[in-house]
Amino acid sequence: DVKVTQSSRYLVKRTGEKVFLECVQDMDHENMFWYRQDPGLGLRLIYFSYDVKMKEKGDIPEGYSVSREKKERFSLILESASTNQTSMYLCASTLGGVLSNQPQHFGDGTRLSIL
Amino acid sequence: AQTVTQSQPEMSVQEAETVTLSCTYDTSESNYYLFWYKQPPSRQMILVIRQEAYKQQNATENRFSVNFQKAAKSFSLKISDSQLGDTAMYFCAFMGGGSNYKLTFGKGTLLTVNP
Repeated sequence: DVKVTQSSRYLVKRTGEKVFLECVQDMDHENMFWYRQDPGLGLRLIYFSYDVKMKEKGDIPEGYSVSREKKERFSLILESASTNQTSMYLCASTLGGVLSNQPQHFGDGTRLSIL
Repeated sequence: AQTVTQSQPEMSVQEAETVTLSCTYDTSESNYYLFWYKQPPSRQMILVIRQEAYKQQNATENRFSVNFQKAAKSFSLKISDSQLGDTAMYFCAFMGGGSNYKLTFGKGTLLTVNP
């Protein structure tokens, strides 16, 4: 089974801090994604990566950056945390190539609170 | 841009009964994929069922089936013989054929199965 592991289930930080959310997958997937999930808004894509050192902006990239130095690891960075970034963050991965109908595999999520 | 609409924020059903969750989408693409994901309370998001747009036959996975109406751009999920473990948030998602595997999610439907 695919395993997508997010480093923290719960995280509390202060405004202005630089925050790192880590995600690791163990199935050699090319594609990795970061979403935020808010009540009534569903999941919104922040950034995704289709290869090492490659990244593309999603629908709501403002205030975030990402890093993918190794294939298995995809980091989400909040450069200067603000209270409106309090949310549930979900990481996902999927195979690349021609198998475009492959489902995304999700981590357990990180519930981040910015005080 | 694609949009996915789930018009039922919450639904409830009695155990052993059948329930249908609705989903409509808007796209100009002819080749795409549709998914239903399930997120149980405080647990990981998992794939329930998927449908390729070029397939006319509706997908089925055990008690879960879809009613895919391509012309109407409708993709509803039917859960038969509902079980307590089906209680979850259900998300409908769209992926275009050439979209770099990006998913567009609906806002979700919270389904509660009552004993």
